[in-house]
Amino acid sequence: QQPVQSPQAVILREGEDAVINCSSSKALYSVHWYRQKHGEAPVFLMILLKGGEQKGHDKISASFNEKKQQSSLYLTASQLSYSGTYFCGTTYNAGNMLTFGGGTRLMVKP
Amino acid sequence: EAQVTQNPRYLITVTGKKLTVTCSQNMNHEYMSWYRQDPGLGLRQIYYSMNVEVTDKGDVPEGYKVSRKEKRNFPLILESPSPNQTSLYFCASSSRFSTDTQYFGPGTRLTVL
Repeated sequence: QQPVQSPQAVILREGEDAVINCSSSKALYSVHWYRQKHGEAPVFLMILLKGGEQKGHDKISASFNEKKQQSSLYLTASQLSYSGTYFCGTTYNAGNMLTFGGGTRLMVKP
Repeated sequence: EAQVTQNPRYLITVTGKKLTVTCSQNMNHEYMSWYRQDPGLGLRQIYYSMNVEVTDKGDVPEGYKVSRKEKRNFPLILESPSPNQTSLYFCASSSRFSTDTQYFGPGTRLTVL
């Protein structure tokens, strides 16, 4: 079952922060985050495994709330290069295939 | 260089003319997948494979076939393409679906007239 992402789109000014949410109706095993620029392939950002860990690199981080069956991606002090569509992908057990959400379009303006 | 390659990158064809989109990876990955991407619908999985000769349907398998005779290759076959299969297609590979990075190919933009 496809996870639900919110918001569907967001527009920011450089330096502003954003949060993108990914929710599931089933218990999650792992959550993957990818960013896709227009016309290009999705690029890996990070993976979170069940256990409620938080990960991050640079100014992009993510959390995984196992009880709420939800993950959130945090983009702080956004840069123009952050523009693109963000996808979360979810699995429900160790051997499960990856199912992607519908995506969140992020536009960062100068 | 670790990569997933797809060919062709662009294809315009007509209804009913069989076509194959090739996908190859050089990372010795067990897992390979095909996705289609349509506006507003995200990435939807067509078929996936967990190893040679092991394939299974994803969310939208109708009208597609796949084969996995070699570990590195995972071609997508459209036996009788229809206009509703016009889409952007991505092949991806990984060591494991659940815990490892999916490496995506550059994409194939298919138009069926």
